[in-house]
Amino acid sequence: AQSVTQLDSHVSVSEGTPVLLRCNYSSSYSPSLFWYVQHPNKGLQLLLKYTSAATLVKGINGFEAEFKKSETSFHLTKPSAHMSDAAEYFCVVRSGDMRFGAGTRLTVKP
Amino acid sequence: DVKVTQSSRYLVKRTGEKVFLECVQDMDHENMFWYRQDPGLGLRLIYFSYDVKMKEKGDIPEGYSVSREKKERFSLILESASTNQTSMYLCASSFFGTGYNEQFFGPGTRLTVL
Repeated sequence: AQSVTQLDSHVSVSEGTPVLLRCNYSSSYSPSLFWYVQHPNKGLQLLLKYTSAATLVKGINGFEAEFKKSETSFHLTKPSAHMSDAAEYFCVVRSGDMRFGAGTRLTVKP
Repeated sequence: DVKVTQSSRYLVKRTGEKVFLECVQDMDHENMFWYRQDPGLGLRLIYFSYDVKMKEKGDIPEGYSVSREKKERFSLILESASTNQTSMYLCASSFFGTGYNEQFFGPGTRLTVL
């Protein structure tokens, strides 16, 4: 069985400060891991994915995530938040079926 | 540019009506999926299909059916809509196989059942 937990339902940061969105997973096998972003009234867009080639994964728009097997975590980070980053973010684990986290809403204050 | 389109962005129906949600992808993907999205619950899989005329139940298939007559088109059917089916419905597609193939999503249909 596999599951994913996003540890914060809402994160608020100021523009220009770092972003950290936390994700823990459980999986019986070596999983694939993804982060998607959803802007208001839009579909989901892939930010990045872990493919086992490297534990630090770089994605679009300056986001990156680090796969830590010992901690079963795949946290998403960005050094400096931009107003356009305000959206909902989903962590996804795949070992067969895809399992979505409940989502983290990121608010960026000016 | 890859594309998944859904027939309606917003839909309002009455209890008991039969509702069709259509999804079309232009990427020649084998797999197609229907999810519903509710606040605090993330996305939950309703049905998926890995080939024409093939379908598999997801986590919450009750009250829904699907149809895939052509590779590019996947329809979700609510046989008799109920108020608890008010939700955002998202269609997705991907290449066949497990592993690292990501899913590509449509813009979603927000369905309200009165």
